[in-house]
Amino acid sequence: DADVTQTPRNRITKTGKRIMLECSQTKGHDRMYWYRQDPGLGLRLIYYSFDVKDINKGEISDGYSVSRQAQAKFSLSLESAIPNQTALYFCATAQGSSPLHFGNGTRLTVT
Amino acid sequence: KQEVTQIPAALSVPEGENLVLNCSFTDSAIYNLQWFRQDPGKGLTSLLLIQSSQREQTSGRLNASLDKSSGRSTLYIAASQPGDSATYLCTVSLGTGNQFYFGTGTSLTVIP
Repeated sequence: DADVTQTPRNRITKTGKRIMLECSQTKGHDRMYWYRQDPGLGLRLIYYSFDVKDINKGEISDGYSVSRQAQAKFSLSLESAIPNQTALYFCATAQGSSPLHFGNGTRLTVT
Repeated sequence: KQEVTQIPAALSVPEGENLVLNCSFTDSAIYNLQWFRQDPGKGLTSLLLIQSSQREQTSGRLNASLDKSSGRSTLYIAASQPGDSATYLCTVSLGTGNQFYFGTGTSLTVIP
């Protein structure tokens, strides 16, 4: 089983719909991150959390919200999806000086 | 803000060739540097992690070096194979390692 699991793997939704992307981890890491990846732009940080009571905005948080339901779970919501939110979304975890671990990503298409 | 640059953006080499991928960063006060591999449409797989106190790390045919003073890291791939074809990303973390900055990657194609 994957250490960092993202669901769904693929999602197509319409403009204006609310959707949630979920991330769960079995690594016991405190830190969790949400990134989006667009061609030519690399990975950009949306939100991050250092523990259940700590949520921080990244460089592109507008239009997104997150919830850290438990140490192992960190979900990303798009309140009202728009086409320029079409991207590949990644969840990642880290702890101390350990490597950053990524999930397999969610490919989101907003029509 | 930390800027991470990877040059070239794309590289094509014949099978068996040794090659070097480059990563440069603007703030030398890094906590660690990590190299990843990404296959098309897939997640990122960690290849090597170099702590700020280290100069290099090796794993199989891969060797990563770090020169903080010049703000550079290189990923050396020996005897390249078609299966090495992927995008290679480097990321640096600052402070206590809580925040990560990514390069835009080098797309590598190894021609059989």
